[in-house]
Amino acid sequence: QSALTQPPSASGSPGQSVAISCTGTSSDVGSYNYVSWYQQQHPGKAPKLIIYEVTKRPSGVPDRFSGSKSGNTASLTVSGLQAEDEGDYYCSSRAVGYTWVFGGGTRLTVL
Amino acid sequence: EVQLAESGGGLVQPGGSLRLSCVGSGFVFSSYSMMWVRQAPGKGLEWISYLSSSMSYISYADSVKGRFTISRDNAKNSLYLQMSSLRAEDTAVYYCAREGFYSALDSWGQGTLVTVSS
Repeated sequence: QSALTQPPSASGSPGQSVAISCTGTSSDVGSYNYVSWYQQQHPGKAPKLIIYEVTKRPSGVPDRFSGSKSGNTASLTVSGLQAEDEGDYYCSSRAVGYTWVFGGGTRLTVL
Repeated sequence: EVQLAESGGGLVQPGGSLRLSCVGSGFVFSSYSMMWVRQAPGKGLEWISYLSSSMSYISYADSVKGRFTISRDNAKNSLYLQMSSLRAEDTAVYYCAREGFYSALDSWGQGTLVTVSS
């Protein structure tokens, strides 16, 4: 049950695109298309689901957010960065035996 | 509107016990699998336990296995987490979350803070 690996920080200017990686293993990201991403805009505030099943967006999530996966690594891309996109982003994957694993989180800063 | 509301957090001494509750509303609680996720101060999210809608499947993170017990009462739309042998490293905000499509956690409560300290 090792955490998925995310970069601790990412940044971009308004209007730019930024990608956040999430690296797991063949026991989680590599074996399941059940990768999801969460946005937490303030510490202590509940996370919000923004991507599920690698690429899908829940209703109400802007199409500026997109997801992908290759092998053991998933990625979240935020296009057309806006100030309100600042916050912490976490990836998660289903793993073996009805378990889940999260990434360590990435702090996204809009410059 | 789907809502989850946790309660039961507080200050507890090392070695002590605490029971968290989570009440769901706005959806058919009994149809959904549920889980607990925690976040230590200044740290990331950590999945800690899962309970299927049918209560047929239960799982725990290694960090809490043998000390925490997850349960539910579908008649009361409630999920519980019984925590025992608490340690300082269990200090965290505890969230309950609903498993939606494709194992995503699609709804979260506001969290309840558990502080383990003497």
